[in-house]
Parts: sequence; C-alpha cells; structure tokens
Amino acid sequence: DIVLTQSPALAVSLEQRATISCKTSQNVDNYGISYMHWYQQKPGQQPKLLIYEGSNLASGIPARFSGSGSGTDFTLTIDPVEADDIATYYCQQSKDYPNTFGAGTKLELK
Amino acid sequence: QVKLLQSGAELVKPGASVKLSCKTSGFTFSTSYMSWLKQVPGPSIEWIGWIYAGDGGTNYNQKFKGKATLTVDKSSSTAYMDLSSLTSEDAAVYFCARLTYSGYFDYWGQGVMVTVSS
Repeated sequence: DIVLTQSPALAVSLEQRATISCKTSQNVDNYGISYMHWYQQKPGQQPKLLIYEGSNLASGIPARFSGSGSGTDFTLTIDPVEADDIATYYCQQSKDYPNTFGAGTKLELK
Repeated sequence: QVKLLQSGAELVKPGASVKLSCKTSGFTFSTSYMSWLKQVPGPSIEWIGWIYAGDGGTNYNQKFKGKATLTVDKSSSTAYMDLSSLTSEDAAVYFCARLTYSGYFDYWGQGVMVTVSS
C-alpha cells in the first residue's frame, strides 16, 4: 500500500499562511495527473473535499486554499488562515488500490 | 443539491452483524460509484470498498474482504454496507461517500458511529 506521511500538527496565526505537507511512499502521478486529494474535517463532521488531482479547487471552496506538488511531495496552502479553517486536514491518494489517506494534520492557532 | 443521509448510531454485540444504510438524492445514483470508509481516531481514514450502482459490481480493500459486503437498492437510491462478525476492532465511525472517476470522494454522508459491546 502507498503510505502518506503528514506532520501531526501545525500552529499558525490568523491571517498568516499555513503550509501542510504530504509525502507519499510511491509516485502518485500518472499521465500528467497527480492522484492526490485534500480534505478538511472538523470535529463531529464528515470530511469535506478541498482540492482534487493535486491542484484543482473543489466547488464552493474559497480561493485561499490551494494545492501544489507532484510525484511524492505535495502541499496544501491556506493563505490567509481564517478562524473557520481550524480543523484537521487529510491527504489521500488514488493512484493505486487501496486508496490510502494520511494520518491528518491538525491546524492549531498560535 | 447532493445529499447522503446515513442511518443512526449502532450498538452491537461482539460476533453480531450490522447493516448500515446511506440514502442519496440530488444526483443520478444508478450511474454512480459509492464508497464506504472507516475512521478510527489515530489510525486515520481507511477505504473499505466501492460499489457501482449500475450493476452492483464491487471492489474491496483486501483488508475488509470477508468483513464488509456492499449492496445497493437502485429503486430507493440507497447504498448499504453489511459488517459481519463484529469485534472491538470494528468500532469506528463509518462514512459513505460518492466516488469520482479520478478516485476522490466529492460528497460524504454525515457518518455513523458503530459501538461493539456486550
């Protein structure tokens, strides 16, 4: 299985930039598409899709969220961070079965 | 709009089975792939499998073969997951989600907590 590694937590100040990383144990690109996706989850809620295929913003998601990277190194950026963004963020790969998720990065306020 | 409404929390005895439901609306269910996922705090989120509502075809994570069985009822646009021979390791929150061709999950149910206890 492809393993996705995320830092457990990131402390950030409001209105600053947050950069959340996800490293994969294998390349998740194929034919120019990065099969890397990002979700936001708040306590007691279901995950919400933020970014798909590496850098595409999901419907209804604010432009302060962006995704980048390729191969085995990916980044979710939130700029600027707002209070409503305090949540846990997960990366997910769909290059190979089984689809796998990172353990999540909890975004906290400094 | 798209909605995925899951059944309520379950308390089940060890060794028993449970059937979870996910009623959908707002999209063409019969041409969709539906997935189920398991979330336990710490180990994160695990993909259990998908089912194609059109013909009932399935694909399971090897880890969940024999544990989970996915079915659909096209007449009610509902997806189901049977979990069998439950143990404490099956206690978790289970989500249904719509699976896209690219492999990401664009809509999720609210989740259902399954507790396994005698």
